[in-house]
Amino acid sequence: GESVGLHLPTLSVQEGDNSIINCAYSNSASDYFIWYKQESGKGPQFIIDIRSNMDKRQGQRVTVLLNKTVKHLSLQIAATQPGDSAVYFCAENIGGSARQLTFGSGTQLTVLP
Amino acid sequence: EAQVTQNPRYLITVTGKKLTVTCSQNMNHEYMSWYRQDPGLGLRQIYYSMNVEVTDKGDVPEGYKVSRKEKRNFPLILESPSPNQTSLYFCASSLSAGGRGEKLFFGSGTQLSVL
Repeated sequence: GESVGLHLPTLSVQEGDNSIINCAYSNSASDYFIWYKQESGKGPQFIIDIRSNMDKRQGQRVTVLLNKTVKHLSLQIAATQPGDSAVYFCAENIGGSARQLTFGSGTQLTVLP
Repeated sequence: EAQVTQNPRYLITVTGKKLTVTCSQNMNHEYMSWYRQDPGLGLRQIYYSMNVEVTDKGDVPEGYKVSRKEKRNFPLILESPSPNQTSLYFCASSLSAGGRGEKLFFGSGTQLSVL
């Protein structure tokens, strides 16, 4: 079946630099995407979402970009801080229900001092 | 404080010994769901519940049971655990299943090891 995946399992960045986490999806019918942050010992937390009729969405220090042509999603974190160290994963939604979320496997972001 | 509470956080058991992982939410949410998280596979849905007494299979339901007798509780039952059920389990809830996942609240997880 189709699935959401990530290009890199780990990413290390210097504190203060920008981080870019990538996600590839293969189901062209997906019309809603979410990025989650999972800190060590905790459950996933919603960061930002984007609908397929958008190319870009910005939040506080985070930006999600969606390229439907190549089925690619990215999460950009500006001025990365130690508290940003976590696993980040994307999820795609088809059908408009939380039941139909498909999650990616995650990227471990480590912020170096 | 709004939260989803899972217990226990860690559990080591042996093959075949029945166990229950509890999940409780204090937000009056209708929708609840169980996921397992394995390295390289992401979260996979085991069972979900749209409301009291309404449950249905997710993507990987084999070997699991659930019940939803009360709105706040959604226990996950492993009648005869096997080593391939060793995993990190998450319970999640949202106000309704009409949301698209942005309103999912997750518990802190239960790390289960079946020997």
